[in-house]
Amino acid sequence: EAGVAQSPRYKIIEKRQSVAFWCNPISGHATLYWYQQILGQGPKLLIQFQNNGVVDDSQLPKDRFSAERLKGVDSTLKIQPAKLEDSAVYLCASSGGARAPLAGAREQFFGPGTRLTVL
Amino acid sequence: KQEVTQIPAALSVPEGENLVLNCSFTDSAIYNLQWFRQDPGKGLTSLLLIQSSQREQTSGRLNASLDKSSGRSTLYIAASQPGDSATYLCAVRPSRYGGSQGNLIFGKGTKLSVKP
Repeated sequence: EAGVAQSPRYKIIEKRQSVAFWCNPISGHATLYWYQQILGQGPKLLIQFQNNGVVDDSQLPKDRFSAERLKGVDSTLKIQPAKLEDSAVYLCASSGGARAPLAGAREQFFGPGTRLTVL
Repeated sequence: KQEVTQIPAALSVPEGENLVLNCSFTDSAIYNLQWFRQDPGKGLTSLLLIQSSQREQTSGRLNASLDKSSGRSTLYIAASQPGDSATYLCAVRPSRYGGSQGNLIFGKGTKLSVKP
């Protein structure tokens, strides 16, 4: 079974530029998550999708961050414009099962992440 | 507000030693607790998931325990190997009113180094 795929693996941009990250979850996984992991910290959830609907985006800085999950499969996370404090690893994860009430009981599988450096 | 703390932040041990990593959380109302491993430049790998009704889970040389009432979990690694060197993260999933679950809240991790 293929794992969660993310691209690019690394990205360096200057502040105020825009950037986009892509995630392809494990086939059949209904739930997709985007996390931000700042160096030395644990991951922090930015947004959770169930199929193509947003379940939780309470910690997403909506003035500059946006995310979408087209057709309930792939997802993109965009930052526009980027700030220095956005430098972090952006992790995508997915979990299986179409029955949302059990989503919490299922393990999340993580991709390798995209390391963003904002200069 | 749920907070997850992991102690120590870093640990260095000689190969073959048994070791314990600690995780504490401030709110005992959790749905489950999960231990992850993170290698440099890579994503997270799930090691063990303990439901709130369980006391422990085992996988190979790993054993995780959960004491929900005291807000603690430990990850025991037996006969450590250099390949165990990584950062170990603990995460809790809060339970919410009505039986729904919140999203994972992570600690900062313990960076383990096993010396040959």
